Amino acid sequence: EIVLTQSPGTLSLSPGEGATLSCRASQSVSSSYLAWYQQKPGQAPRLLFYGASSRATGIPDRFSGSGSGTEFTLTISRLEPEDFAVYYCQQNGNLRLTFGGGTKVEIK
Amino acid sequence: EVQLVESGGGLVQPGRSLRLSCAASGFTFKDYAMHWVRQVPGKGLEWVSGINWNSANIAYADSVKGRFTISRDNAKNSLFLQINSLRVDDTALYYCAKDRLEQRDYFYGMDVWGQGTTVTVSS
Repeated sequence: EIVLTQSPGTLSLSPGEGATLSCRASQSVSSSYLAWYQQKPGQAPRLLFYGASSRATGIPDRFSGSGSGTEFTLTISRLEPEDFAVYYCQQNGNLRLTFGGGTKVEIK
Repeated sequence: EVQLVESGGGLVQPGRSLRLSCAASGFTFKDYAMHWVRQVPGKGLEWVSGINWNSANIAYADSVKGRFTISRDNAKNSLFLQINSLRVDDTALYYCAKDRLEQRDYFYGMDVWGQGTTVTVSS
């Protein structure tokens, strides 16, 4: 099973600041199979990126995804109030999906 | 509108069984892989199981393999999760989710999610 480790666990930032979230895989993951999700309290997750860097429908361009192999990054260029949430990376290799433990982006 | 509505959760004793359902609408259900994902309140997401569009490929998380069975009825636009030998640590909100790409053998991420159904296992 591929284990995804997200860091940091919590990011305390102010609106307008940039955020960099990391997702590290225990073994190489094809970029085609790496996704990012956002989850707000009381809501279901929402797909942000698939294929590591392709934005899902309706995702603003202040969000960007990058990376390959075992290191992937989600970047938010300037945090808006609605961006404070928990973010999860996910991989789907060999039909077995796994999620990272999540990074909470909270208001400082 | 694309929609997934889960049902079948509830309070159940350890060792008993439960069958969760997910009713899909607004898209061609038979063409998409589907998933179950669970979340313990206050904790992270855990993928439970997935089934591709034609049921040729089915996969489970190691934590549920042998106790959970995923299935689908394409004629009724429905996804199911049969849970046997329920344990206290199966307590969670169970989400149904649609895979992103159609008519694929593998899984490509989840672009539509339901609101979940809560399973509570307690004596």
